[in-house]
Amino acid sequence: SSELTQDPAVSVALGQTVRITCQGDSLRSYYASWYQQKPGQAPVLVIYGKNNRPSGIPDRFSGSSSGNTASLTITGAQAEDEADYYCNSRDSSGNHYVVFGGGTKLTVL
Amino acid sequence: QVQLQQWGAGLLKPSETLSLTCTVYGGSFSGYYWSWIRQPPGKGLEWIGEINHSGSTNYNPSLKSRVTISVDTSKNQFSLKLSSVTAADTAVYYCARGAVGRNSVVVVAATGLSYYYYMDVWGKGTTVTVSS
Repeated sequence: SSELTQDPAVSVALGQTVRITCQGDSLRSYYASWYQQKPGQAPVLVIYGKNNRPSGIPDRFSGSSSGNTASLTITGAQAEDEADYYCNSRDSSGNHYVVFGGGTKLTVL
Repeated sequence: QVQLQQWGAGLLKPSETLSLTCTVYGGSFSGYYWSWIRQPPGKGLEWIGEINHSGSTNYNPSLKSRVTISVDTSKNQFSLKLSSVTAADTAVYYCARGAVGRNSVVVVAATGLSYYYYMDVWGKGTTVTVSS
């Protein structure tokens, strides 16, 4: 299967920890990458590979993987973390294409 | 620092062909997959297709019959054409750089994950509206 499934919405209290998950068969072969998108802006890569953060991404963002599920964890969520988050990988069933999850809207309360 | 600058027509009529170009500044064109992604108003990201420096392409099966992605390595540019557009093609279109590779033997042994893929550089997006 080429689909990635995310919860549509998640909320977290300011300063608390939140986990956003992504499920799909391709995640048994590929690390998920994670993107943050704020309104009116292009997506920004926040996690890739085995828990790697691009330059400028705070270390409160981390990634993990188990079986067919990848997770993005924000430890000590800040108001500026309120955004849409998308997971992404390539299809692993021999079809050479890219898949995105449906996105999770994170609200910081 | 690699930057992607994209441009193209923002207003189309139904049945016309969408045409966008993305220029890569400040980095190598080879060794990566160069993708087009779109986002309809209020919706999620949809991958359209990709091309590498040698011109090898992969397309989203749902759009494949209408999509052509091409590359001009002499200009460090890649382009998207989407034919026979309808209102459903109204979206913000992004170009992005994709990196794909194999994980080390150690990582594979520990996690079972053989590969990685990510899009680390994105264009700012072009709003395309299809309306009669």
